[in-house]
Amino acid sequence: GAVVSQHPSWVICKSGTSVKIECRSLDFQATTMFWYRQFPKQSLMLMATSNEGSKATYEQGVEKDKFLINHASLTLSTLTVTSAHPEDSSFYICSASIRRQGSYEQYFGPGTRLTVT
Amino acid sequence: QQPVQSPQAVILREGEDAVINCSSSKALYSVHWYRQKHGEAPVFLMILLKGGEQKGHDKISASFNEKKQQSSLYLTASQLSYSGTYFCGTEERGNEKLTFGTGTRLTIIP
Repeated sequence: GAVVSQHPSWVICKSGTSVKIECRSLDFQATTMFWYRQFPKQSLMLMATSNEGSKATYEQGVEKDKFLINHASLTLSTLTVTSAHPEDSSFYICSASIRRQGSYEQYFGPGTRLTVT
Repeated sequence: QQPVQSPQAVILREGEDAVINCSSSKALYSVHWYRQKHGEAPVFLMILLKGGEQKGHDKISASFNEKKQQSSLYLTASQLSYSGTYFCGTEERGNEKLTFGTGTRLTIIP
């Protein structure tokens, strides 16, 4: 159990265009999903927390107008990178939270590698 | 401020043991451990909730020292499949968010 999918696996787009990434929890409902960005050989940096039915909470320094998050249902959250630029190229990973053993465990999707040319 | 992990990198021969440490500057509610292979998403290993808790599965175990705000991951009789980057994720009380550590790259050689 606790499988999270992410689509697409990779995407190459031109500077100035927008890209949408989907994150789905396949066998459980997730009230909370998280979006991370990871640069090569670095740790995961939390971008935002996505709660079903409410606005996302962004971490300090993350532009909410550039990274649009929509948590449409208990199994789907989307991240749209608007007007992408080469510096947005990165590995984007989502996770879904499930409550177990008195705490919340996060299970990650396979990630999306974004390359902006 | 993200937790600091040590060592940053380690190379072991198959069958050797390793210890990875995670140290936070903040009081912790729980510590989560993940392993990430190159180009893949992190895979959940285990969670420690209580100070003093120790937990293990197969030959991977972990401990949580709540007072010292530290956790350690122990890998015994390492296998080639253990290679990857290990991250601790720390959770503060009442907050589902995880702050990931600096990472430890583990390489197992035959």
